[in-house]
Amino acid sequence: EAGVAQSPRYKIIEKRQSVAFWCNPISGHATLYWYQQILGQGPKLLIQFQNNGVVDDSQLPKDRFSAERLKGVDSTLKIQPAKLEDSAVYLCASSLWTGDEKLFFGSGTQLSVL
Amino acid sequence: GNSVTQMEGPVTLSEEAFLTINCTYTATGYPSLFWYVQYPGEGLQLLLKATKADDKGSNKGFEATYRKETTSFHLEKGSVQVSDSAVYFCALKHIKAAGNKLTFGGGTRVLVKP
Repeated sequence: EAGVAQSPRYKIIEKRQSVAFWCNPISGHATLYWYQQILGQGPKLLIQFQNNGVVDDSQLPKDRFSAERLKGVDSTLKIQPAKLEDSAVYLCASSLWTGDEKLFFGSGTQLSVL
Repeated sequence: GNSVTQMEGPVTLSEEAFLTINCTYTATGYPSLFWYVQYPGEGLQLLLKATKADDKGSNKGFEATYRKETTSFHLEKGSVQVSDSAVYFCALKHIKAAGNKLTFGGGTRVLVKP
């Protein structure tokens, strides 16, 4: 079974630039999550989708972050404009349904904002 | 609000040693508790979970018991192997949390030497 795929693996940008991350969840998983993991901290949920609808985006900085899952499968997370404090690993995860407590995580995209 | 506190690492120990990673939580009501593990270069994986007081989760020789009286969920393994070297995250999910929102601790890096 293929796991959660994310790209790119690494990204280096300058502050005020924009960046986008892509995620392909496990086939058949209705729920998709984006987490932000700052160095030395645990992952923090940014947004959760159920199919193509948003379940929880309470911790997403909506002035600069946006995410979509238009067809209920792949998802993109965008930051525009980036700030230094956005340097982190961005993790995508998926689960079969919104109440399923077993999440499968991708390897993440490591973002460095200079 | 909900929070998880776990011991800071790194924890360095020899093969066949006993491992304990402390985890305490703050939450109202009765959250579900989890341990996730992140092996080098891989995504986070669910290691074990417990959903109510006095439940014991176990997997791959690891165990953790849900202690409501001490609000703890310490992870233990009697005899570690080099392959157990990883970062371990304690997490909780509040029953009233929107969707499947997990609150993670900061992670504990474990290094097992041969």
